[in-house]
Amino acid sequence: DQQVKQNSPSLSVQEGRISILNCDYTNSMFDYFLWYKKYPAEGPTFLISISSIKDKNEDGRFTVFLNKSAKHLSLHIVPSQPGDSAVYFCAASLISSGSARQLTFGSGTQLTVLP
Amino acid sequence: NAGVTQTPKFRILKIGQSMTLQCTQDMNHNYMYWYRQDPGMGLKLIYYSVGAGITDKGEVPNGYNVSRSTTEDFPLRLELAAPSQTSVYFCASSLRTVLSGNTIYFGEGSWLTVV
Repeated sequence: DQQVKQNSPSLSVQEGRISILNCDYTNSMFDYFLWYKKYPAEGPTFLISISSIKDKNEDGRFTVFLNKSAKHLSLHIVPSQPGDSAVYFCAASLISSGSARQLTFGSGTQLTVLP
Repeated sequence: NAGVTQTPKFRILKIGQSMTLQCTQDMNHNYMYWYRQDPGMGLKLIYYSVGAGITDKGEVPNGYNVSRSTTEDFPLRLELAAPSQTSVYFCASSLRTVLSGNTIYFGEGSWLTVV
């Protein structure tokens, strides 16, 4: 039972165009969402996050949109660059027992930006 | 600039063998985590710790044990290795619970194959 789903395993985009990566979740108790980026043979690195009290957060070329009614979030990368080619993981967070927040990850989307 | 360091990077185990994945962080983070990533899947939490002497189970703890005797170290022990434990293992840490600005930092991963 995947609570966080990334239904597109891969996405190819031309350099300079917009990349849109999508993520759906089922647990309405999630209140914080994050995107991680992962290059081969490296650990994931934090990219951008959004609290459930917001519907948009922007950081440079990266913008995350949250639609709580649809339980959907998306990551927009504009303009896309070849160095953005990586696997992108969506993650959701809620307070677990003992006050530690756990992350539930989606299965990832491989983004390829073509020069 | 070490961050989160995991050893070994690669290991092949025979069924029934035991081993310990080492993890150390030099950022004085309170929270430490062990995740595993199976092919085509998201990262799943095995165990986590909110401080020295305190550990708790995550989503997939069976077949594993952890200890947290110091702030810096969080080793993961596999007892009686099984083929189902073939995976990539990521250790991670965060200063506090995962909220804005308190992101999780991951190690580079340990590739484990059980044959």
